[in-house]
Amino acid sequence: DADVTQTPRNRITKTGKRIMLECSQTKGHDRMYWYRQDPGLGLRLIYYSFDVKDINKGEISDGYSVSRQAQAKFSLSLESAIPNQTALYFCATSDPAGGFRDTQYFGPGTRLTVL
Amino acid sequence: AQSVTQLDSHVSVSEGTPVLLRCNYSSSYSPSLFWYVQHPNKGLQLLLKYTSAATLVKGINGFEAEFKKSETSFHLTKPSAHMSDAAEYFCVVSGGSARQLTFGSGTQLTVLP
Repeated sequence: DADVTQTPRNRITKTGKRIMLECSQTKGHDRMYWYRQDPGLGLRLIYYSFDVKDINKGEISDGYSVSRQAQAKFSLSLESAIPNQTALYFCATSDPAGGFRDTQYFGPGTRLTVL
Repeated sequence: AQSVTQLDSHVSVSEGTPVLLRCNYSSSYSPSLFWYVQHPNKGLQLLLKYTSAATLVKGINGFEAEFKKSETSFHLTKPSAHMSDAAEYFCVVSGGSARQLTFGSGTQLTVLP
């Protein structure tokens, strides 16, 4: 089984709808991240969480919110989806035991299309 | 502040010839550097990482990268390309108290038969 899973893998929705993307991990890592990938822009950080009580905004948090339900679960919500949120979304985890040079492990991604 | 510049958005090589993907970085900290690969419709896989040990880093599938502080570069190389190497490659820098990764814009590698 994969260490980092994301659901759904693909989603098509309409403008104004509320959408939740879910991420679960079995790696036992405290740190979790949400990124979006757009062609030609690489990955950009939306939110990150160092533990269940610690949530931080990333580079592009506007229009998004997150919930850290447990160490293993980190959800990303779009309260009112808009077309420019069409992108590939990745969840990642990391282990603080590696210090600030910790490696991040990525899920398979969720392809979201907002019509 | 930190940033990454991947100097080529597309690289095309013939199978069996060397691969060179170029990456320059900027960081206010002593950085960690990574290369990730993304195959079509797949997630990101770690190829290799530099964390202030040896400057020449060996990764999976025959890839390696050399950290050159004086040139602020971390170029990815492979002596002989294989068809399965066709993918998008991301150079990434990590540093600072927030442990944030900053991604380059990616290099699409095409391997011709």
